[in-house]
Amino acid sequence: ELKVEQNPLFLSMQEGKNYTIYCNYSTTSDRLYWYRQDPGKSLESLFVLLSNGAVKQEGRLMASLDTKARLSTLHITAAVHDLSATYFCAVVNTNAGKSTFGDGTTLTVKP
Amino acid sequence: GAGVSQSPRYKVTKRGQDVALRCDPISGHVSLYWYRQALGQGPEFLTYFNYEAQQDKSGLPNDRFSAERPEGSISTLTIQRTEQRDSAMYRCASSLGNRGANSPLHFGNGTRLTVT
Repeated sequence: ELKVEQNPLFLSMQEGKNYTIYCNYSTTSDRLYWYRQDPGKSLESLFVLLSNGAVKQEGRLMASLDTKARLSTLHITAAVHDLSATYFCAVVNTNAGKSTFGDGTTLTVKP
Repeated sequence: GAGVSQSPRYKVTKRGQDVALRCDPISGHVSLYWYRQALGQGPEFLTYFNYEAQQDKSGLPNDRFSAERPEGSISTLTIQRTEQRDSAMYRCASSLGNRGANSPLHFGNGTRLTVT
């Protein structure tokens, strides 16, 4: 059974600082996604990572994938308040259609 | 519509009643998924469809839960004889499926089910 673990689960940062969120998964996967969820809202897709060494960047967020280590990272550069949200990684089993989600990292950026 | 639509947004029901939750996916999306999300946790997989075919129902907790997508578009998740432990946010998502094999999930706003 595929298991997805994120850490930390809660992260409080000051504006302008950098930090990394980690996502580990237990079995071979061919796709990994990052989603963002604002309080009381639904999930929105941020990144799709498909291959070993893949790196995607959007604004202050950069995601990478190491399939050998079964690890993805979401790096936050010079955090701003608008990045406060819960971030989920989701992993798709090879040959399976469903995404398995981690429990999320709740990020709070303080002035 | 522009996005995935779920109804009702909120449902309060008494223990033992049946409920039906509806999902209208993005037009043209082949795959439709049902997830359940508890407060402070990630979405938990329930079942998914490609077109009208139910591909995987391994996440349905027990036989009180069922889902259908008879014409490959709108889907209904039915919970029979509801119990308090069924209270949660139920989220539907759709994707291009094999039309865009790496496409992400597009989530609806969910149905908040409360069983009293």
